Amino acid sequence: GEDVEQSLFLSVREGDSSVINCTYTDSSSTYLYWYKQEPGAGLQLLTYIFSNMDMKQDQRLTVLLNKKDKHLSLRIADTQTGDSAIYFCAEPQYNNNDMRFGAGTRLTVKP
Amino acid sequence: KAGVTQTPRYLIKTRGQQVTLSCSPISGHRSVSWYQQTPGQGLQFLFEYFSETQRNKGNFPGRFSGRQFSNSRSEMNVSTLELGDSALYLCASSLGRSQETQYFGPGTRLLVL
Repeated sequence: GEDVEQSLFLSVREGDSSVINCTYTDSSSTYLYWYKQEPGAGLQLLTYIFSNMDMKQDQRLTVLLNKKDKHLSLRIADTQTGDSAIYFCAEPQYNNNDMRFGAGTRLTVKP
Repeated sequence: KAGVTQTPRYLIKTRGQQVTLSCSPISGHRSVSWYQQTPGQGLQFLFEYFSETQRNKGNFPGRFSGRQFSNSRSEMNVSTLELGDSALYLCASSLGRSQETQYFGPGTRLLVL
C-alpha cells in the first residue's frame, strides 16, 4: 500500500510495557521518526532511527526496525500515565521534505 | 534555542473569510513546512518553503498559499474559507536538507463557522 499504517488504539496498565507498531512504505527513507502529540499540542519529536540500524535505545524508549518487512516499532518501558498521548510514526519522502505520517496510535495508560 | 512558534494559537472565522497564519522557525533553520491535521484525514502536507521559495507542494486547492521571508519566517494564507478548513495547522522547521528532521510548533487551531 501507499500509506504509513498504525493501529489506532492501545491501552496498557501503568508500569507495563507498551509496543506501538508501524508499517511504512518507502525503503529509501534515510531516517524514520516517532512523534508524540499530547492533547491540544503540536508534535513533539520523540526519537528517530537511522535506516542502517536495527535497534535504538533511548532511556525508556526502544525503537526496532525491520527493513525487510518495512516494519517499525516503538517500545515504551515502565509506561506512565504521562505517556498517554497519540504517537505517530513518520517517514520523510525521498528527495523532498514532505513527511508522511501514520494515522497515529492513541495510547491510554490506566493507573 | 527557542522552538518553533506559531501565531495565533486559536482563530475563529466565518465561511468566505480569509486567514493568515504565521510561523517562526528555529533559529538557523531555513525550511518551513506546513501541515493540516484533521480527525478525518490525519496529518496532510500542505507545502514547504526554503530560502523564500516554495520547494514542495501537497495536494491542496489554490486557496491555500504561503510565503517565506528573508528571515525564514513563513506565513500561510487560506482564502474563501470553507467549513472543512477547520483544523489544526502545524508548521515544522528544519535545516532544509533532504529528509532532515522536522521540529514542530504548537499549531494554530482554526475553527470556521
